[in-house]
Amino acid sequence: DTAVSQTPKYLVTQMGNDKSIKCEQNLGHDTMYWYKQDSKKFLKIMFSYNNKELIINETVPNRFSPKSPDKAHLNLHINSLELGDSAVYFCASSPRLRDRGSNEQFFGPGTRLTVL
Amino acid sequence: AQKITQTQPGMFVQEKEAVTLDCTYDTSDQSYGLFWYKQPSSGEMIFLIYQGSYDEQNATEGRYSLNFQKARKSANLVISASQLGDSAMYFCAMKQGGSEKLVFGKGTKLTVNP
Repeated sequence: DTAVSQTPKYLVTQMGNDKSIKCEQNLGHDTMYWYKQDSKKFLKIMFSYNNKELIINETVPNRFSPKSPDKAHLNLHINSLELGDSAVYFCASSPRLRDRGSNEQFFGPGTRLTVL
Repeated sequence: AQKITQTQPGMFVQEKEAVTLDCTYDTSDQSYGLFWYKQPSSGEMIFLIYQGSYDEQNATEGRYSLNFQKARKSANLVISASQLGDSAMYFCAMKQGGSEKLVFGKGTKLTVNP
């Protein structure tokens, strides 16, 4: 009954490789996100998609490319991995945007990426 | 620009006592929402409580309450009757009305002592 799932949970790879992280939500939410949590636990948004349309694109290197095949899935592809990409990557989803009222984001379990 | 400040990198509390985790925010918008999340050592992010900028009452969810002082731009989390399982990182976050962007503070690590 996992609400937001991510695969893999752990990813260890060499510098220069290309890797993907997959995210799926079964909550029927319209909006999905990718966050990066660094070694100091700081969480920062990277991307957000609403119904397969990109709505937030923070200053992230273009080696990172999100792809949303449908509104239940948001995958993150990373090209030419660098040491500084090592972090925990969280996927999240939320219901349709409302101007008022709680619109909390439900987070996946995270993917710990280690670049050697 | 939105900004969330959590000035306490670490807090300690005795089991069964109450603890307040501080959060101040900066925004020029009138409509915004404030959130608290818990991240235990297992790593998942757990939503705790929400306060809307137009809500007149302080939000409460079980042992969690949010002390919202709009004029001071603070949204402190109060945990009553602390339990050992409350030991975790706690993040305050804000979202401006009409935006999906959630901005997080740097977090406070809470340790509950037996």
